Amino acid sequence: AQSVTQLDSQVPVFEEAPVELRCNYSSSVSVYLFWYVQYPNQGLQLLLKYLSGSTLVESINGFEAEFNKSQTSFHLRKPSVHISDTAEYFCAVNSNYQLIWGAGTKLIIKP
Amino acid sequence: EAGVTQFPSHSVIEKGQTVTLRCDPISGHDNLYWYRRVMGKEIKFLLHFVKESKQDESGMPNNRFLAERTGGTYSTLKVQPAELEDSGVYFCASSRGQNNEQFFGPGTRLTVL
Repeated sequence: AQSVTQLDSQVPVFEEAPVELRCNYSSSVSVYLFWYVQYPNQGLQLLLKYLSGSTLVESINGFEAEFNKSQTSFHLRKPSVHISDTAEYFCAVNSNYQLIWGAGTKLIIKP
Repeated sequence: EAGVTQFPSHSVIEKGQTVTLRCDPISGHDNLYWYRRVMGKEIKFLLHFVKESKQDESGMPNNRFLAERTGGTYSTLKVQPAELEDSGVYFCASSRGQNNEQFFGPGTRLTVL
């Protein structure tokens, strides 16, 4: 069965510093990969997705993630974080039309 | 277009009571999903409707949970009787096709005392 691992439950980082949120999944068969974000007191929003094609995908607010099939990873990166990026970030994989989720990583921005 | 809506946003009930959660998907989305996040744990799939039919209910924890989607529009998830371990946030999502992006509602926070 598919599984998704987000090793870091929370990541503190200074404002304007770079950040990487790690995500590994269990299978190397064809997968669709997603990052969702939940801002405080809001619902889940899709941040970016990998379905096929270019292994580097980008969001409109400066995040990017790279699909690495050999390492079964889909890490999320941003070169310079802002206080507004404070949120919980979830990595997920589509398996049999349902989403399998990681445990989530809280991104904590320090001023 | 209007997003996925869920009602209520919060519900506090006592153990043994019944609660019904409602989800209204985006208009035209045939696929509707229920997920749950128990405190401190990962989000777990509960079930998937295609129109009014249950496509996959492998994630339903036990027979105290009953989901319906009469007419293929909104869906309800009833918990009867509720237990302490049912506390968590229940998310609903919808998508146009089965491999399309799933759009999520804000969730219902259920607290069972």
